[in-house]
Amino acid sequence: EAQVTQNPRYLITVTGKKLTVTCSQNMNHEYMSWYRQDPGLGLRQIYYSMNVEVTDKGDVPEGYKVSRKEKRNFPLILESPSPNQTSLYFCASSLLGQGFYEQYFGPGTRLTVT
Amino acid sequence: AQTVTQSQPEMSVQEAETVTLSCTYDTSESNYYLFWYKQPPSRQMILVIRQEAYKQQNATENRFSVNFQKAAKSFSLKISDSQLGDTAMYFCAFGGGATNKLIFGTGTLLAVQP
Repeated sequence: EAQVTQNPRYLITVTGKKLTVTCSQNMNHEYMSWYRQDPGLGLRQIYYSMNVEVTDKGDVPEGYKVSRKEKRNFPLILESPSPNQTSLYFCASSLLGQGFYEQYFGPGTRLTVT
Repeated sequence: AQTVTQSQPEMSVQEAETVTLSCTYDTSESNYYLFWYKQPPSRQMILVIRQEAYKQQNATENRFSVNFQKAAKSFSLKISDSQLGDTAMYFCAFGGGATNKLIFGTGTLLAVQP
């Protein structure tokens, strides 16, 4: 089954404790992206990647890191989480090429930082 | 920069009735795509319908259709014969440009009443 998976689905942590949210897709997509969803703000892009070893900042990259060592994986790293990073996080992937291909979303990760 | 505006934070409709969700956007791009995503209580992001800006014909998917007014930069979603399972948050999104980024509106929470 074609899908994007994220782990963990729920995470409660404390300020300053490094964490990683994993994202994996099995569709051989070139493009992967992370979004955060906050009430009243919709979804905003954090980072994206157009290929292996190619990553770039989205609209709200502060406090986050990413890596793309393999085509299928795109982990999101919070090296020193803070309460303002409490949010719902989505990973998405798509093909790249002429036009704009549908982005497939993972199930979301609910993160709470206390 | 592109922006997407959803001016209706919440809406309610009776089962079997028709409801229209509004969305306006701003862009200087000539080639772009517009989307409506549904987010039920499970939080999964589900693509409902997409519209290519170069196509004049409005997209339809079963009970879902759009009214795309390119000159007015308007992209509304019509849901016919509303069902209880349509209860969800609906996001309008813009796709285009070199970064393949989706830009989301703030969402409309739709409640279908029995």
